[in-house]
Amino acid sequence: QQQVKQSPQSLIVQKGGISIINCAYENTAFDYFPWYQQFPGKGPALLIAIRPDVSEKKEGRFTISFNKSAKQFSLHIMDSQPGDSATYFCAARARGNKLTFGTGTQLKVEL
Amino acid sequence: SAVISQKPSRDICQRGTSLTIQCQVDSQVTMMFWYRQQPGQSLTLIATANQGSEATYESGFVIDKFPISRPNLTFSTLTVSNMSPEDSSIYLCSVGGGTDLTDTQYFGPGTRLTVL
Repeated sequence: QQQVKQSPQSLIVQKGGISIINCAYENTAFDYFPWYQQFPGKGPALLIAIRPDVSEKKEGRFTISFNKSAKQFSLHIMDSQPGDSATYFCAARARGNKLTFGTGTQLKVEL
Repeated sequence: SAVISQKPSRDICQRGTSLTIQCQVDSQVTMMFWYRQQPGQSLTLIATANQGSEATYESGFVIDKFPISRPNLTFSTLTVSNMSPEDSSIYLCSVGGGTDLTDTQYFGPGTRLTVL
């Protein structure tokens, strides 16, 4: 019930390409869906987040698409750059502000 | 946003010993959380650190193993007790949510623990 499923586990994209990471959830009580970016040796940093009453949110090269009926959301990174190479986690917030994290996606952007 | 620091940044410990990790925030926050991230894995919530009361632990985590203190609104500690190699992980504190810092949780840099 609390699980958030994330795919793919790893992703290789050419510079300038689009990176797409998908997440799915079951618990309809989740009310906030953030994406975090984590570089090796660092804590996760908030990238972008969305509420379920919005279908899309864009911040620079990063876009979240949200499908409430399907209980799915995805992160799109446009014009991917080598500096985007990191691990990305989707998450979902339940009551008490507890975050449930997806399993993570290791993104590598190649030149 | 919040600036969060953790001490130590890393440590190597012997089996059977205990380590206390400190988390300091640059502003007063109501909600603080402790997470564990095992090597190459996702983040798992250990507990919510409540100021003025006992921490609330998630399933699979107990106070005897992970005692937590929250003496004020800017500081918390997590102790990993009677350590075994299976406790080797990154331990992260986070703050935010509710009325403090909008919805967002901000994470500290983490404490990388290796147990031999």
